[in-house]
Amino acid sequence: GAGVSQTPSNKVTEKGKYVELRCDPISGHTALYWYRQSLGQGPEFLIYFQGTGAADDSGLPNDRFFAVRPEGSVSTLKIQRTERGDSAVYLCASSLAEQSYNEQFFGPGTRLTVL
Amino acid sequence: KNQVEQSPQSLIILEGKNCTLQCNYTVSPFSNLRWYKQDTGRGPVSLTIMTFSENTKSNGRYTATLDADTKQSSLHITASQLSDSASYICVVRGPGGYQKVTFGTGTKLQVIP
Repeated sequence: GAGVSQTPSNKVTEKGKYVELRCDPISGHTALYWYRQSLGQGPEFLIYFQGTGAADDSGLPNDRFFAVRPEGSVSTLKIQRTERGDSAVYLCASSLAEQSYNEQFFGPGTRLTVL
Repeated sequence: KNQVEQSPQSLIILEGKNCTLQCNYTVSPFSNLRWYKQDTGRGPVSLTIMTFSENTKSNGRYTATLDADTKQSSLHITASQLSDSASYICVVRGPGGYQKVTFGTGTKLQVIP
């Protein structure tokens, strides 16, 4: 595909469960970002990958959140012991390289609902 | 703390009318500012990017302005269409290699027939 894809598009889970959200960036994009967007708000930064490594994970709210990008392409955001407050749209974006001028291309997001 | 504030929060206009959305920021130092359009249920898509030296940039019916002295930007939409209904997000970045972007909270625009 030409764009960033995310799966699943919707995820409903129960409080306390574990979830994984997947992001397929645009081929060749080395920079990958995860954001969280609550209703009526702008995206909130979670974590940034340059290649396989998490260059900045300062936006992760707590240690229940973790993300990996083992081969420098697909990334998975993992949330343990989900809480109702984790309900949001989780957006993934990628860019060609981490230069401030480079556009971040966003996926459609995964809407997570924790009951 | 770097902040990006947008106004109005929401706006309803009639199809064919013009509108202007505002963005004020405190991000410093500054590298560039982007306006994104986010349709419901979709990820944001870039409309324009402006650097420090640019005052105006157009993309079809969208015209963005930037005043880097007052740290203000606007997005003007001309002859609005129903498909313009979306959230418009202002995003500001600093210079250098890696810099986290600072997102505004967006303006939700609804164009009605």
